[in-house]
Amino acid sequence: NAGVTQTPKFQVLKTGQSMTLQCAQDMNHNSMYWYRQDPGMGLRLIYYSASEGTTDKGEVPNGYNVSRLNKREFSLRLESAAPSQTSVYFCASRDLTGVQETQYFGPGTRLLVL
Amino acid sequence: GENVEQHPSTLSVQEGDSAVIKCTYSDSASNYFPWYKQELGKRPQLIIDIRSNVGEKKDQRIAVTLNKTAKHFSLHITETQPEDSAVYFCAASSWALRGQNFVFGPGTRLSVLP
Repeated sequence: NAGVTQTPKFQVLKTGQSMTLQCAQDMNHNSMYWYRQDPGMGLRLIYYSASEGTTDKGEVPNGYNVSRLNKREFSLRLESAAPSQTSVYFCASRDLTGVQETQYFGPGTRLLVL
Repeated sequence: GENVEQHPSTLSVQEGDSAVIKCTYSDSASNYFPWYKQELGKRPQLIIDIRSNVGEKKDQRIAVTLNKTAKHFSLHITETQPEDSAVYFCAASSWALRGQNFVFGPGTRLSVLP
């Protein structure tokens, strides 16, 4: 049981390049989330998916798109990367159908945009 | 939307002393309040949580209290140990149009001095 996995672990992009961050969970959770974490700041929600087939904007969605490919996978895409998107990105999943409400985080992806 | 404030931003205590971190939230619809611990370079991990229908919850050396009227909740760590040193985040969660939205506080850096 790997929990929440993310790829890649680290990425360097040039301004204007695109990339997709991948996230997968094997806990059969319905809800999945993408956050960014900047130095000295808390986690800010980019997008979330309450269930397969649905996605909704969070606090800071501009410059990002997401795809809930299936119940396991939730990807985050940067179409034209900007230096302001340099951050650590965390994916998380959560099961809202049971008693346990814990949100489990992936190990993070460190993104540097030059 | 929801706004979560967290104080203090940094906290230093002597080993064995208690530490208290306070958070306030703005949305009266928020109904779930988790606390996360994040060690340097690691993912956030849930340490304790509380629902809006409960005033206090305790797990060994860690406790959380919630005052719904005043819209604030606090984390209490007793008998602190050096391994408690980390950044602690509070969060408030409420049901959005679909799924459950999370807003995090900016974090408190706790240092436990031996």
